[in-house]
Amino acid sequence: DIQMTQSPSTLSASVGDRVTITCRASQSISNWLAWYQQKPGKAPKVLIYKASSLESGVPSRFSGSGSGTEFTLTISSLQPDDFATYYCQKYNSYPYTFGQGTKLEIK
Amino acid sequence: DVQLLESGGDLVQAGGSLRLSCAASGFTFSGSGMSWVRQAPGKGLEWFSAISGSGGATFYADFVKGRFTISRDNSKNTLYLQMNSLRAEDTAVYYCTKEGRGGSSDYWGQGTLVTVSS
Repeated sequence: DIQMTQSPSTLSASVGDRVTITCRASQSISNWLAWYQQKPGKAPKVLIYKASSLESGVPSRFSGSGSGTEFTLTISSLQPDDFATYYCQKYNSYPYTFGQGTKLEIK
Repeated sequence: DVQLLESGGDLVQAGGSLRLSCAASGFTFSGSGMSWVRQAPGKGLEWFSAISGSGGATFYADFVKGRFTISRDNSKNTLYLQMNSLRAEDTAVYYCTKEGRGGSSDYWGQGTLVTVSS
């Protein structure tokens, strides 16, 4: 099975910062990658699908890029509401594995 | 509006069984693949099962294969998860999700907690 590895596991940043989270696949998954945001006690919410397509209603400060085995999620200017945990998920074939998550903390 | 409402979570002893349900509304249920994803306390998200819109195709992660069964009743707009031979490590919040564009999960339920005591 293809493994998904996110880095970093934890990221400390300030409001207004530009941050990037990386997700690497152990084999090529083309662009079949999604990014999710999860806040404590809540269900995840999809932000990006097909590696770079912004889900409807998601602020434009979120963007995704990459293909093959390396992907990034970028938040251009952090807002207070963005402090959460972020997950990537591959969905080119089953199993639809998630990365281990990146917790974005306030510095 | 799309709504997914899980139910059936409970405290169960190791080796026991439980059936979860996910009632769906606000979209054409039979036209959408559905998945189950779980999250152990303090841990990350773990995909483990999916089913096609017709119910004719099912998929499982190795760690639940042979113990869990996904099914759906399109006449009732309901997704199910039959869980047998439960283990302490199956303790988690269980989410049902609707498959969106190409397979990502575009809608999630609120989750239902399954606790397996050893």
